[in-house]
Amino acid sequence: SAVISQKPSRDICQRGTSLTIQCQVDSQVTMMFWYRQQPGQSLTLIATANQGSEATYESGFVIDKFPISRPNLTFSTLTVSNMSPEDSSIYLCSGERTSSDTQYFGPGTRLTVL
Amino acid sequence: QKEVEQNSGPLSVPEGAIASLNCTYSDRVSQSFFWYRQYSGKSPELIMSIYSNGDKEDGRFTAQLNKASQYVSLLIRDSQPSDSATYLCAVKPGSGAGSYQLTFGKGTKLSVIP
Repeated sequence: SAVISQKPSRDICQRGTSLTIQCQVDSQVTMMFWYRQQPGQSLTLIATANQGSEATYESGFVIDKFPISRPNLTFSTLTVSNMSPEDSSIYLCSGERTSSDTQYFGPGTRLTVL
Repeated sequence: QKEVEQNSGPLSVPEGAIASLNCTYSDRVSQSFFWYRQYSGKSPELIMSIYSNGDKEDGRFTAQLNKASQYVSLLIRDSQPSDSATYLCAVKPGSGAGSYQLTFGKGTKLSVIP
């Protein structure tokens, strides 16, 4: 399996602020993704992080709210901007290796917005 | 719209019994199918992948795929209390734009009673 780390593991933030989540993957990973899992719900894909270019966002997610960077092959960040309580979720980074079409997940970031 | 349906449960089975988890999907061109296990407060971990019709066994786990019926299942033999978790079915289309994207079901919560 791929080695994927995320930080922070959890945070409590105030409404209107922003939080940047970092994801580090091993060198075998080529595709990186960001997901959101709201309480009691399944995973929803936010975007595909593209190395050196703008991320590809899914319907319902926009760059102004969830800016994503991937400056190199093994590192990506997701920022949750201008947060509201509705953004309280677990945010998950995942990676997929070229040699397999299987996605592995990082430990997640549990975000609470007050 | 691509959909993956699962019975949300909870599914309760006694220890030592066989747990049967089911999943249907709407996209006929789907080619890759995955089962993830998610413990409460943790990120999803891959249990099995299956690509061809029929059964695939790995230890106590057996995945079954029937593409004609658009149905995939997971059997857990000799269920243990440690198997108590939410099981997520995920489907990936075979080719074309977005072929790397996973669509997740809402998950089935399994409870194994000692």
